[in-house]
Amino acid sequence: DTEVTQTPKHLVMGMTNKKSLKCEQHMGHRAMYWYKQKAKKPPELMFVYSYEKLSINESVPSRFSPECPNSSLLNLHLHALQPEDSALYLCASSQEQGTTYGYTFGSGTRLTVV
Amino acid sequence: GENVEQHPSTLSVQEGDSAVIKCTYSDSASNYFPWYKQELGKRPQLIIDIRSNVGEKKDQRIAVTLNKTAKHFSLHITETQPEDSAVYFCAARPGGSYIPTFGRGTSLIVHP
Repeated sequence: DTEVTQTPKHLVMGMTNKKSLKCEQHMGHRAMYWYKQKAKKPPELMFVYSYEKLSINESVPSRFSPECPNSSLLNLHLHALQPEDSALYLCASSQEQGTTYGYTFGSGTRLTVV
Repeated sequence: GENVEQHPSTLSVQEGDSAVIKCTYSDSASNYFPWYKQELGKRPQLIIDIRSNVGEKKDQRIAVTLNKTAKHFSLHITETQPEDSAVYFCAARPGGSYIPTFGRGTSLIVHP
């Protein structure tokens, strides 16, 4: 299995809703990431988990809350979002060490905040 | 930290022409340089990468060159096809880090 699977593919939520994005990989990768991407812009790093521990938080507002229940799963909990949070949210994973360096991105969740 | 500049931001070519996208980086400790292709509405996909101990790498119609002294690397696409139309991102990753820094992207348009 060489895939990173993200659900849901599309999500519309109101500013008072609580929702969660899910990401799963079974490649044995020990680093997992959340990115936010606006149209035709590069992905912006939000969070990094290394060996299931949060290692990087790029000053992301607290309305975004990551969780890594185990080495294969990564969640992003959303609460009280703003319309400007509408974007493509990408999960990625990579091996920390060894000869495989490239990221594998999931297909993303297209989030619209209304 | 690392800073990656990518040019041009938009590139328009005729089918069959070659396309070249250039990136420069600032951190001399960077040792891994991947390129990603992102089609409209889809995920970024790794298309080719190069490590700092190699000057050039080819894979069919695409190639990447690296000049460590000048700290720049380029993506070359030959015999472009309409399906090559996409946004291309370069990235650089310093040694000891597993976090790449992305360029701002190049929108490649291949006209039939």
